[in-house]
Amino acid sequence: SAVISQKPSRDICQRGTSLTIQCQVDSQVTMMFWYRQQPGQSLTLIATANQGSEATYESGFVIDKFPISRPNLTFSTLTVSNMSPEDSSIYLCSVYPASREQFFGPGTRLTVL
Amino acid sequence: GQQLNQSPQSMFIQEGEDVSMNCTSSSIFNTWLWYKQDPGEGPVLLIALYKAGELTSNGRLTAQFGITRKDSFLNISASIPSDVGIYFCAGQSYNTDKLIFGTGTRLQVFP
Repeated sequence: SAVISQKPSRDICQRGTSLTIQCQVDSQVTMMFWYRQQPGQSLTLIATANQGSEATYESGFVIDKFPISRPNLTFSTLTVSNMSPEDSSIYLCSVYPASREQFFGPGTRLTVL
Repeated sequence: GQQLNQSPQSMFIQEGEDVSMNCTSSSIFNTWLWYKQDPGEGPVLLIALYKAGELTSNGRLTAQFGITRKDSFLNISASIPSDVGIYFCAGQSYNTDKLIFGTGTRLQVFP
């Protein structure tokens, strides 16, 4: 397994501002992902964070709104840009360590006023 | 995005009862995973399944990979209050690392 931490754990932000969420893993992993979980909903994949290249975004998510960095094999950031109340969600990072299972961080609970 | 059909949507049971939930897909998967999410936490992996027909247990939890590769089942025996939470199935197709998540089953256990 892998130990994953996220910062911040929660935040309340004003409309129009941006928030950067950090994800740190205790070991080097090839694959890192970012998910969104809207209130009362399931998890939806935002993008795959690729080390050394641009992230790969899923349909409905764009780089201008959710820029992602992956400077090394243990760290990634997701920025939620120009926020609106509809962006209020839990944002989760996940990783594939050496095993075949995907593990999740504790999540960042974002509220946009 | 695509989601798997998971049922039931919610369950309210008494402590000690057994629980069954399932997940179905229109697509074939080569891996099925079951996660539990507690309030304010990220999903925690419970069981992973890799072969059609596979039956795997983890304590009081038992999960099966459907023979058609389009479904999976999770059973919890003798439920206890700490089983409360939301259970998600997730499927993974061949040649991809992406997971498709089920809609979730919210479990409430009453003493």
